[in-house]
Amino acid sequence: AQSVTQLDSQVPVFEEAPVELRCNYSSSVSVYLFWYVQYPNQGLQLLLKYLSGSTLVKGINGFEAEFNKSQTSFHLRKPSVHISDTAEYFCAVSEPGGSYIPTFGRGTSLIVHP
Amino acid sequence: GAVVSQHPSRVICKSGTSVKIECRSLDFQATTMFWYRQFPKQSLMLMATSNEGSKATYEQGVEKDKFLINHASLTLSTLTVTSAHPEDSSFYICSAHGQSYNEQFFGPGTRLTVL
Repeated sequence: AQSVTQLDSQVPVFEEAPVELRCNYSSSVSVYLFWYVQYPNQGLQLLLKYLSGSTLVKGINGFEAEFNKSQTSFHLRKPSVHISDTAEYFCAVSEPGGSYIPTFGRGTSLIVHP
Repeated sequence: GAVVSQHPSRVICKSGTSVKIECRSLDFQATTMFWYRQFPKQSLMLMATSNEGSKATYEQGVEKDKFLINHASLTLSTLTVTSAHPEDSSFYICSAHGQSYNEQFFGPGTRLTVL
């Protein structure tokens, strides 16, 4: 069985500051890792994903994440946030094969202050 | 990219009525579709998995007689909330998986409010 832990339920940050949203996972097999963003009353939008290859993954809106197998982490980073980045962020893990059903973390609310 | 749509985006109904939500894969064939429920400030909870032409598989604790799922074609799945009650009010999100993809694609969600 796999699980995802998002250590912070809420992360407040000032505009133009850097941010890191933490995600740790557990799985007994190889994994695919995802970060999604959800704006109020909207569905999930994929920010980035790690399937294989380079451990540093770049996504949309200036976000990037690094897969660290030894620490079982997949933290999301952005060097300079905007007000428009205020949203809920979900980390998810799935196992290759089958229907790729993701297991989601509880989410981290990123709040960007002016 | 693969696109999944949901209709309606928002629905308000009276207690005791039934509501149908549609989920469509617009540019790919979805061999498997999924329905999630999301309560405010919480993560997504998988309700059921449906494969085209067969009965849906429900997660533990999800009432299959209340949440009827039909996956009649490779591009359409429907979720019918029968005899809806205020506690069924929630955000429902579908997703779809196609054979040539290694991830699920999510719809924009449907906000159900039962009065």
